[in-house]
Amino acid sequence: AQSVTQPDIHITVSEGASLELRCNYSYGATPYLFWYVQSPGQGLQLLLKYFSGDTLVQGIKGFEAEFKRSQSSFNLRKPSVHWSDAAEYFCAVGPLKAAGNKLTFGGGTRVLVKP
Amino acid sequence: DTEVTQTPKHLVMGMTNKKSLKCEQHMGHRAMYWYKQKAKKPPELMFVYSYEKLSINESVPSRFSPECPNSSLLNLHLHALQPEDSALYLCASSQAGTFPNQPQHFGDGTRLSIL
Repeated sequence: AQSVTQPDIHITVSEGASLELRCNYSYGATPYLFWYVQSPGQGLQLLLKYFSGDTLVQGIKGFEAEFKRSQSSFNLRKPSVHWSDAAEYFCAVGPLKAAGNKLTFGGGTRVLVKP
Repeated sequence: DTEVTQTPKHLVMGMTNKKSLKCEQHMGHRAMYWYKQKAKKPPELMFVYSYEKLSINESVPSRFSPECPNSSLLNLHLHALQPEDSALYLCASSQAGTFPNQPQHFGDGTRLSIL
């Protein structure tokens, strides 16, 4: 079965500092990987996705993520954090075709931004 | 602005009430989803519709009844809910069928409170 682990429940970062969120997955084949962000009171917004090809993918809002097959990781990064980046971030894998369009989410990482 | 619209944004209901949540998208997506999200947790999949037919039911209690009247609309009918059903209910849509790598687009959700 596929699974996703986000080891950090909370991360606090100063505005202007860099940010890295970790994501590790367990999957039997080449995964489809996603990062979503959820601001308070809102739904999930797609930041970026990886299916194949270049292992460094660029997303919206200045985010990027790097797929490392050898480490089963898909970490999210941003060079300089803005106060508006304070939110919950979810890594997700899937969907398994055999299981329908079903995403498996990590537990999430809450990012707090200090002024 | 999200391309998946959910109404109402907030709903308070008693345990004996009957209400419905609505979701609409005009992106031509043929897969639509209902998720339940408790505070500080990732979304949990409830139902998936593919080409207006129910394809996944994640063993959801019968007091939740989904309906997909056409390719743009998704409803969730609620009856005799329990206090533990209080949560954020998210709707999502995506390409269906042979496009398992297409990301899901989420609405902002309905915040449901059961008295």
